[in-house]
Amino acid sequence: AQSVTQPDIHITVSEGASLELRCNYSYGATPYLFWYVQSPGQGLQLLLKYFSGDTLVQGIKGFEAEFKRSQSSFNLRKPSVHWSDAAEYFCAVRESGGYNKLIFGAGTRLAVHP
Amino acid sequence: NAGVTQTPKFRILKIGQSMTLQCTQDMNHNYMYWYRQDPGMGLKLIYYSVGAGITDKGEVPNGYNVSRSTTEDFPLRLELAAPSQTSVYFCASSYGTGRTSYEQYFGPGTRLTVT
Repeated sequence: AQSVTQPDIHITVSEGASLELRCNYSYGATPYLFWYVQSPGQGLQLLLKYFSGDTLVQGIKGFEAEFKRSQSSFNLRKPSVHWSDAAEYFCAVRESGGYNKLIFGAGTRLAVHP
Repeated sequence: NAGVTQTPKFRILKIGQSMTLQCTQDMNHNYMYWYRQDPGMGLKLIYYSVGAGITDKGEVPNGYNVSRSTTEDFPLRLELAAPSQTSVYFCASSYGTGRTSYEQYFGPGTRLTVT
C-alpha cells in the first residue's frame, strides 16, 4: 500500500538558518508528490509539486524540493528561514487509484527562533 | 475567485446532535473531497466526489454522509455526533480528467468540538 512518512514531528531552527524537512514515500511507479504548508488556523496551501522531469523543483516562498528515486525521498529545503515560515508542513503522494486522491504524511511542525 | 469556502468556521455540538458542514467551490472543479485532521495524524480522507451525483467512501467514512447535487457544493453530514468526531474538517477540490494539474485546493477548515 502507498504511504508517506515524515520522520520529524517537530523541528526548531533559528531565523536565517537553513532548513530541510524529510519525506519518504512508498510507491512502485513514478509518484506525483506534493508539499503543502498550513499556517496556524488556516487551510493548506500548495508549496510545490513534482510530476516528472527535473528532479529539483522550485516552489513559492523560496522553497525547493528534490526528488530522489533511489532513496524514495522528496525532501523540502529552504536556504534561509524567516519567522513567518513557522507552520506545519505536509508531504503527500497522489494515490495510484486516480481521482487525484492524496495520501498525506503526519506532518512536521516547524518553529522558528528569533 | 473565492476558491473553496467552508461554513461554519467553528461549531460545538452535544453528543447525539446532527449537523451539516458546508463546502462550496467556484473553480468548476469536478473532484471534491472531505478530510479530517487530528493532531499528529495528518489528513484522513472521509469521502470524495468525482462529479454531481457521484460520491464514494474514503479511508474514514463511518459516522458521516455526503451528497453532491451540483458541481459547486459538497456538504458533509454528521449524524449522531460522537466525541471521536471532534476534529478539524477540510474540504478540497481539484480538476478532473483531461487536465494535467493534479493538486488539490483547500478551504480554511471547520473546527468541530463534540462534548
